[in-house]
Amino acid sequence: GAGVSQSPSNKVTEKGKDVELRCDPISGHTALYWYRQRLGQGLEFLIYFQGNSAPDKSGLPSDRFSAERTGESVSTLTIQRTQQEDSAVYLCASSVGAGTPYEQYFGPGTRLTVT
Amino acid sequence: QKEVEQNSGPLSVPEGAIASLNCTYSDRGSQSFFWYRQYSGKSPELIMFIYSNGDKEDGRFTAQLNKASQYVSLLIRDSQPSDSATYLCAVRKRSYQLTFGKGTKLSVIP
Repeated sequence: GAGVSQSPSNKVTEKGKDVELRCDPISGHTALYWYRQRLGQGLEFLIYFQGNSAPDKSGLPSDRFSAERTGESVSTLTIQRTQQEDSAVYLCASSVGAGTPYEQYFGPGTRLTVT
Repeated sequence: QKEVEQNSGPLSVPEGAIASLNCTYSDRGSQSFFWYRQYSGKSPELIMFIYSNGDKEDGRFTAQLNKASQYVSLLIRDSQPSDSATYLCAVRKRSYQLTFGKGTKLSVIP
């Protein structure tokens, strides 16, 4: 079946502009996660959605970052007034549920470059 | 101390040898442990997870966990050039949140 999809695959934007990144999870997956991966670094947790529960936003690095999810489907990550340090690959993952042994399936990522 | 630490490598092993990848973690409350493989420019894919002390084997891969030493490792037997990738160790503390190490780059030399 279809995996996690993300769009755009690449985004180049000027410093100060807003960007919106999209994630389509695997159908039926109630849990959705956003991560950021800077060059040569591991993945940083940003935000987690589980069903209709309040999201865990504890990983968002600043109030310029926000995310929404409509029910158990599409999620968008918005970065306002982008800065050069926001340049990274933004990865979305989904899982059937939360916790072991529910595997997180990752999308291909969006490579964001802020010039 | 970083929450999850890995040697960045690169770790080079000859084809057919055993590759040993190591990971330490700081939070004793960590519940489960994951190894992901990430090819260059691609997204991570899960290889194995382990949550009990001891060894867990899956084909050429063995995960080893020692909670007392806060140490988890991944052994790859009969390494192949196609195993060349970055291996990410991840630790789950709560029910859903994974904390990742920076990854170890493995090169298997033909």
